[in-house]
Amino acid sequence: AQSVTQPDIHITVSEGASLELRCNYSYGATPYLFWYVQSPGQGLQLLLKYFSGDTLVQGIKGFEAEFKRSQSSFNLRKPSVHWSDAAEYFCAVGAREYGNKLVFGAGTILRVKS
Amino acid sequence: DVKVTQSSRYLVKRTGEKVFLECVQDMDHENMFWYRQDPGLGLRLIYFSYDVKMKEKGDIPEGYSVSREKKERFSLILESASTNQTSMYLCASISAGIGYEQYFGPGTRLTVT
Repeated sequence: AQSVTQPDIHITVSEGASLELRCNYSYGATPYLFWYVQSPGQGLQLLLKYFSGDTLVQGIKGFEAEFKRSQSSFNLRKPSVHWSDAAEYFCAVGAREYGNKLVFGAGTILRVKS
Repeated sequence: DVKVTQSSRYLVKRTGEKVFLECVQDMDHENMFWYRQDPGLGLRLIYFSYDVKMKEKGDIPEGYSVSREKKERFSLILESASTNQTSMYLCASISAGIGYEQYFGPGTRLTVT
């Protein structure tokens, strides 16, 4: 069965520090990978996506993620966190075999301390 | 600009009531989804629709039904609301095809008392 694991439920970083949010997936197909962000009381907004090609993808708000097939991972990174980055982050995986359906991770809540 | 709207941001209903959650998208998307979001569980798919009057069960369809009479509108129905259906409900839509992103509405926080 398809699954997505985000090992960290909460992460706290200092403003200006670097950030890495982990995502591992189990999928019996070539995956499409997404990172979404949800600010309090809001819907989900797409940060970035990977379909094919260059395994390092750039997204909005200075985020990037790297697809590592050998590790079944798609970790999200940002070199310098801003207080406005405090939110919940979701990794999601899809595949051609499953049409447009996505499987989401449980989410990681990011807290930024000043 | 892409837009998915949901009829209510907050809703309080009593146990046993019939509840309708409405979702409208203005992007002419074929596919629409209803998710339930609970802390620590992420988003779980309740139902999805790939065309008008077409629907398929997701991972947790029990206690829910859906209706899609028009392409732009996808309704989630709780036939008899129960307290364990207290949750955040998110609607999403996506163009047909593979690998596109889903666009999400702002969510409806439903409380069943």
